[in-house]
Amino acid sequence: DSGVTQTPKHLITATGQRVTLRCSPRSGDLSVYWYQQSLDQGLQFLIQYYNGEERAKGNILERFSAQQFPDLHSELNLSSLELGDSALYFCASSVAAGSIKTQYFGPGTRLLVL
Amino acid sequence: AQSVTQLGSHVSVSEGALVLLRCNYSSSVPPYLFWYVQYPNQGLQLLLKYTTGATLVKGINGFEAEFKKSETSFHLTKPSAHMSDAAEYFCAVSAYSGGGADGLTFGKGTHLIIQP
Repeated sequence: DSGVTQTPKHLITATGQRVTLRCSPRSGDLSVYWYQQSLDQGLQFLIQYYNGEERAKGNILERFSAQQFPDLHSELNLSSLELGDSALYFCASSVAAGSIKTQYFGPGTRLLVL
Repeated sequence: AQSVTQLGSHVSVSEGALVLLRCNYSSSVPPYLFWYVQYPNQGLQLLLKYTTGATLVKGINGFEAEFKKSETSFHLTKPSAHMSDAAEYFCAVSAYSGGGADGLTFGKGTHLIIQP
């Protein structure tokens, strides 16, 4: 158990819908990262937040957005969903920003868009 | 920009045999390198990481990796495979250049199969 929690574990929705994925980082971690894992694209970095502020953007679509709240939990919002958005979405956290800090991954949210 | 290439999407070894998973990276700045393992229906767990200093890095579960700058490689090895090592292994790179931005770039993964 990494200490990172993600809800829900599974999500089934329809095309065109909007969903919100939630992540609670490890106690004391200030940095939160979101990754997408799909069969065709592999594991891709989406976005990073540090202490409430956006730090880096990866391959995140404009239909996707995220935020980190004062209590440091983060939400990833996916809108106008398409079939291709079906994937496993991971959240990771680290104590601070900076690559020498280990990123701890949550168990993921599996999204299925029908 | 950085990238990671993992040679072999599937690697099969016999129990007790040497495990060698290959990883080559590309980075415009000195890289930080990682190996993660993913068991079925679970998140990723860090096996080991290289940041600076000693190029031979030891990790959990008997795994180690050697950073070779001249070959831009970071291969993962384990002297003797165990059935419990069967999993998906990911090599990742982060080219930290300051500012606190350090999302990881992952390879496609290598599925390790252990034959009894």
